[in-house]
Amino acid sequence: AQKITQTQPGMFVQEKEAVTLDCTYDTSDPSYGLFWYKQPSSGEMIFLIYQGSYDQQNATEGRYSLNFQKARKSANLVISASQLGDSAMYFCAMREVGNRDDKIIFGKGTRLHILP
Amino acid sequence: EPEVTQTPSHQVTQMGQEVILRCVPISNHLYFYWYRQILGQKVEFLVSFYNNEISEKSEIFDDQFSVERPDGSNFTLKIRSTKLEDSAMYFCASSDGERNSPLHFGNGTRLTVT
Repeated sequence: AQKITQTQPGMFVQEKEAVTLDCTYDTSDPSYGLFWYKQPSSGEMIFLIYQGSYDQQNATEGRYSLNFQKARKSANLVISASQLGDSAMYFCAMREVGNRDDKIIFGKGTRLHILP
Repeated sequence: EPEVTQTPSHQVTQMGQEVILRCVPISNHLYFYWYRQILGQKVEFLVSFYNNEISEKSEIFDDQFSVERPDGSNFTLKIRSTKLEDSAMYFCASSDGERNSPLHFGNGTRLTVT
């Protein structure tokens, strides 16, 4: 069963608008971490933001914020005031801290296109 | 800012040949990983490595794959006899192991098997 679900394969957004990228996850581990990565067309994986399962407040990093709804098991990424350079693939990922290993697993990604 | 470096950036090889992909993780990191991304698809976990041994491996990581940390700085992925379906971008990553620490990825090696 998929542990990370990103239901939007692609999105088109007008420049300067806010955009929300959806992510839902599935875990029985009470302790876990959620990450968002950006992959531009050049291919590198860029870490954006982290949310811990016990964190009381939603994470924010500049124009990025994470809308964490624990009961719904969702961790949507919000990008405010989108820019042309935000066009990229965005991956939601999860680490289950209780596991013996320390890997993170990725969703299938959402390709975001910012329109001028 | 320290970064993970991978070499080469692009490797072309013939089917059946052995390839070694090289990575230099961030120096104070303790956990190392290899991930694979077939063009345009999801990023798939291959293997994690800690304390000089494999912590976990996925179903993809079969007997054709091996990892090694030959010295204090390098971390390698070997594919013994490449297949066409091994063509992908291979990412190395490292982490300090803290719960809230992300994996830091290298820029990847694009492997093309012909």
